[in-house]
Parts: sequence; structure tokens; C-alpha cells
Amino acid sequence: QAVVTQEPSLTVSPGGTVTLTCGSSIGAVTSGHYPYWFQQKPGQAPRTLIHDTSNIHSWTPARFSGSLLGGKAALTLSGAQPEDEADYYCLLSYIVGRPLFGGGTKLTVL
Amino acid sequence: EVQVVESGGGLVQPGGSLRLSCEASGFTFSNFAMSWVRQAPGKGLEWVSAISGDGGSTYYADSVKGRFTISRDNSKNTLYLQMNSLRAEDTAVFYCAKTLGPYATHPDYWGQGTLVTVSS
Repeated sequence: QAVVTQEPSLTVSPGGTVTLTCGSSIGAVTSGHYPYWFQQKPGQAPRTLIHDTSNIHSWTPARFSGSLLGGKAALTLSGAQPEDEADYYCLLSYIVGRPLFGGGTKLTVL
Repeated sequence: EVQVVESGGGLVQPGGSLRLSCEASGFTFSNFAMSWVRQAPGKGLEWVSAISGDGGSTYYADSVKGRFTISRDNSKNTLYLQMNSLRAEDTAVFYCAKTLGPYATHPDYWGQGTLVTVSS
């Protein structure tokens, strides 16, 4: 069974740029995996930031963007704010009807 | 405004059963698949199950297949998760989520969750 990989933790300076990645243990991530990105702050439900690789929602801050980078899905935060400190999860589709979450990245803004 | 509100969580003994509900509003319920995702205390997210908009297609994670049953009542705009043979490792916050299409499985718009605790 595939494993979805994410950096366990990352740190970014306020105003800085950071890229979180989402890889697959069985090959390159493509748009056919329909990558999603979620943000979860302590004590809150997750919320979806990016769907289908790079599509944002109306509530997604413009400083977040999604892409494919070097065989992985990527979430880039440009101009980090203190309120961006959170856990970030990606989700990939492999077998139809069996999406898999990554283990999550704890992002610190410091 | 889209809303999904879970209910039905609580304390149950190992081997017991529980049914979660998720009441939806603010969108045409039957046009969208719905999904359940859980999160064990201090752990990451785990996709659990999804059901198509018409209820004709259902999907399960291997960890719950044969024990959990997802269903929906489109006349009541309500999603259900029947959980049987519960184990300690099923202890988690269960989130209901609207997807982006009638046959999608990825959660997109999330509820606030309901806590299920399996313990004697």
C-alpha cells in the first residue's frame, strides 16, 4: 500500500516563504492524484486550502498556492503570517474511492 | 451558507455500536458525495468512508471495512455512519465533510466533528 509523505515539521520566519511537499512512496505525484491541502489549527476542524493541485477556495488567503514540484505536490506560503502556524495535511487519490492522507507537517512561524 | 453538523458521538464499550449523524444545509445535498474523516487524539487525519450523492456507491478504508456502514437520507439532508464492533483504536474525533462532486471522495467543506471514545 502506498504511503503519502510530508515533512514532519518546518519553520518559516514572519514574512518569509516556505514550501511544504507531499510525496508518494510508489512514484511521482501527478494531477491524477487530485492533491488536496488542508490547514488545521489547534482545537479546530481542518479546512481545505487547495483542491485538485492548485485550485483555491474563496477563503484561502492569497499567500497560499498549490503546484506540482519535482514529482511531488507542493503548498507554497509566500509572506508567512503568525496566524499561519498550524498543521498542514495533504490528501492523494490512488485507488478510486480510497484517498490517503499524509502524516502532516507542523509549521512554525518564528 | 454551507453547514454540516455532526452528532451522535459519545462513550461506548469495546465491541459496542454507535451511529453518527451529519445534518447538512446550504446546498443541494443529493448533488454531492459526502465523506467521513477521523482523527485520533494527538494524531493525524484518516479518511474513513465516502458515499455518492445518490447513495448508490460507497467506499471504505480497510481499517473500517466490514464494521462501519455509511448511508444517507437525501430527503432529510442527513449523512450517517453506523459503527459496529468498535475497538479502542476507533477512539477519535469524527468529521463529516461535503465533497466537490456527486462521486468525489475528498473532503472539502468540514464540520466541527464529534468525539467517539471507545473504552470500558
